[in-house]
Amino acid sequence: DQQVKQNSPSLSVQEGRISILNCDYTNSMFDYFLWYKKYPAEGPTFLISISSIKDKNEDGRFTVFLNKSAKHLSLHIVPSQPGDSAVYFCAASKGSGGGADGLTFGKGTHLIIQP
Amino acid sequence: ETGVTQSPTHLIKTRGQQVTLRCSSQSGHNTVSWYQQALGQGPQFIFQYYREEENGRGNFPPRFSGLQFPNYSSELNVNALELDDSALYLCASRRWTVTDTQYFGPGTRLTVL
Repeated sequence: DQQVKQNSPSLSVQEGRISILNCDYTNSMFDYFLWYKKYPAEGPTFLISISSIKDKNEDGRFTVFLNKSAKHLSLHIVPSQPGDSAVYFCAASKGSGGGADGLTFGKGTHLIIQP
Repeated sequence: ETGVTQSPTHLIKTRGQQVTLRCSSQSGHNTVSWYQQALGQGPQFIFQYYREEENGRGNFPPRFSGLQFPNYSSELNVNALELDDSALYLCASRRWTVTDTQYFGPGTRLTVL
């Protein structure tokens, strides 16, 4: 039973446009959400996070939106750049202060930025 | 570069064998987690070590075990390898109190034949 779902295996966006990656979760115990980016032959790299007490968090070109009632979050990248081409993973955890349950990841979305 | 290293990079084993994978954590990080990433899937939490004790485990059988050493390096051991154990194994280190500053290593690609 997948608790974190990324329903788009891939997404192609033109350079300079907005990229929107979506993620849904089913476990209402999750209260901290993270996005990771992964290049081939490298481990995932942390991008941005959001606590369930917020509905938006921004960091430069990256913004994450959280809709708790819909159990849905999205990552917006504006403007999209060629270096953004990678696999993006949505992850969730119970508590932002660490804890022993690990992160629960979605399957990832492969973002391709077209020149 | 995250400062987390893993060895070996690639490994081929046969079914029934045992394997040990190694991870060297980021300096100052006292918590290490291991994840299994099968092809086309997201990383799946195996277990976590804090101060040399396992303090969290995902849905993995006991033949997956680990160690964390005083210098915060760690090992993942898998006994009685099965074909489905073929995957990328990632370790991640962090300070106990913070979730998002979790640094992943590049992973070890294990193939079980």
